[in-house]
Amino acid sequence: EADIYQTPRYLVIGTGKKITLECSQTMGHDKMYWYQQDPGMELHLIHYSYGVNSTEKGDLSSESTVSRIRTEHFPLTLESARPSHTSQYLCASSAGFREKLFFGSGTQLSVL
Amino acid sequence: AQSVAQPEDQVNVAEGNPLTVKCTYSVSGNPYLFWYVQYPNRGLQFLLKYITGDNLVKGSYGFEAEFNKSQTSFHLKKPSALVSDSALYFCAVRGANSNTGKLIFGQGTTLQVKP
Repeated sequence: EADIYQTPRYLVIGTGKKITLECSQTMGHDKMYWYQQDPGMELHLIHYSYGVNSTEKGDLSSESTVSRIRTEHFPLTLESARPSHTSQYLCASSAGFREKLFFGSGTQLSVL
Repeated sequence: AQSVAQPEDQVNVAEGNPLTVKCTYSVSGNPYLFWYVQYPNRGLQFLLKYITGDNLVKGSYGFEAEFNKSQTSFHLKKPSALVSDSALYFCAVRGANSNTGKLIFGQGTTLQVKP
């Protein structure tokens, strides 16, 4: 069983609000990732981290930001949400480059 | 640049028949290849991976995949499909020489198994 948790599971908010999507893992993985996915569509990497105080932007441009102050925690923040941010956000972690990703259950974000 | 392609948006098979979901990739050097499955309203689950060794890789739920270096393919297969296999399947690749370790996903293939 994957020990990676995302909260909230669903979030509906108004335009302009600041939000933080939480992601935590208890496996001690150094590598963590955020993917964005529209329903039934491909995954786009938006942020990744290889360890504490290490964060990089992914392939898909995103207005979100991330932080990695602790190994187990990799939150994603949107300073001012817009309807174009409506999507599913998936957090993942892995023990190494040869290892599989463990995915959280995702956060379905709807911005009205 | 790394890339992965799943040429079929949807694959339809009858229950009990064999299934194949296609995947081709492009990386510098040797590839690390993965298959994931996503059931409706659930997160992605790992099925199998190829790192090195035997070209035929066996994974979860009776799935297997064959690595073909000359054709740069990593097709997912199952000898006898179940209705419960209906889901969205993603192929993913990472180059062994990559210094970023980013895993690139294909666009996904919807598998529909009919009774």
